[in-house]
Order: sequence, then C-alpha cells, then structure tokens
Amino acid sequence: GAVVSQHPSRVICKSGTSVKIECRSLDFQATTMFWYRQFPKQSLMLMATSNEGSKATYEQGVEKDKFLINHASLTLSTLTVTSAHPEDSSFYICSAILPQGASYEQYFGPGTRLTVT
Amino acid sequence: GESVGLHLPTLSVQEGDNSIINCAYSNSASDYFIWYKQESGKGPQFIIDIRSNMDKRQGQRVTVLLNKTVKHLSLQIAATQPGDSAVYFCADISGGYQKVTFGTGTKLQVIP
Repeated sequence: GAVVSQHPSRVICKSGTSVKIECRSLDFQATTMFWYRQFPKQSLMLMATSNEGSKATYEQGVEKDKFLINHASLTLSTLTVTSAHPEDSSFYICSAILPQGASYEQYFGPGTRLTVT
Repeated sequence: GESVGLHLPTLSVQEGDNSIINCAYSNSASDYFIWYKQESGKGPQFIIDIRSNMDKRQGQRVTVLLNKTVKHLSLQIAATQPGDSAVYFCADISGGYQKVTFGTGTKLQVIP
C-alpha cells in the first residue's frame, strides 16, 4: 500500500523557537495533503489542507501565520510551527489522498510528537 | 461526526468475543465513510470503508454497517484478538473527498 512518512517522529524545542515537520508520500504523488493535530485521548482535528503549488486552506481557528504550510512538490508538504509555545505541544499527523479507482483512500503518516518546553 | 472529545469512551471485550463500536455523524451530505484504527503513538490505519449507497460492507473479520436514516455507523470485529486493542475512529467524508471529519473515537481493550 501507499506509504506516507513524517520527519521527525519526535521533537523537543524551547519556547519561542520554530519547528519544521516534513510529510512525504514515498511511492505516489499527492496533490493534496492534510495536516491534523491530536491532543491526548482526543480525536484528530483537521488544521489545514495543503495543495501542491498553491496556498493551504486553513480550518477555522487555526492561525495561518503560526502554522506555516508549504507544499512545494507532489511528494512533500511541510508544517512549520513558528514561535512555538507549550500549548502547541501535540501530536501532529499528516495524510495524503491516493485515488484508487472507486476508492479514495487517505493514507496517514506515523505522526510527529512535538513537545515545547 | 463531531471531532470534539474530552475523554475517549472505552469498550472492554474478552478475547474471542465479537466487538461492536458505534459512531454517530452529523453531516447528512457525507457520502463516504471510513473506519480507522490508531495504535498508541502512531498514525491512523485504514480498516474499511463504505459508500453512502450501501448499508453493509464486509472485510476480513470486520463489518461496517451504515444507517443513514439515523446517521449511525458501526464497526463489528469478529473474534476479537489482543492485537485489535487500539483506538478506533470513524470518519465521514464530504465535499468531493476534501472534507474529512473524524468522530470522537473509542478505545478498544481486549482482555486476554
């Protein structure tokens, strides 16, 4: 099946610094990728839809200047958490859609655990 | 479904028994539904999907039932195994597969 990777898997940063998380589709091209965040014992919350070659579409309440998304190629989307604060600590997950005939399966990356100290 | 959850509901099942996990969704325009399994510290994994023109779909040891009248989805796992222990999320998709909304999630604990 299709594989989506994320890097890094875990990152600890100091408050005020910026962190970049990469999401790659390893064996397929993804024109659309999604970024989610997940707090402990909670569901996935969609943050933004990342479209290759265009600006990302952010969900209501998500600060686009704080969570910078770049989708420069068909296999790579990046999420940069700028001026991170402890409340940004969370599990960030990306996904990519692979159309397969009548199905439209969304493949998820393994997630990135961000801890801001 | 509403992706708001303060605490995950937990379902405890004896190994070998069947499990039924339920999910309610709110968007009547959703036309595609997926069940995901998420193990601790990992991303969600696709289990099974169903389109809105179906009411039942079977996979290997899993069955998804869709009741559009009451906007309800269920996942049935036959002969539950310890490896099935995880959090299960339903997701409903609308807007030409661009809008995915996750349900609250249910934690399945399999008792050996």
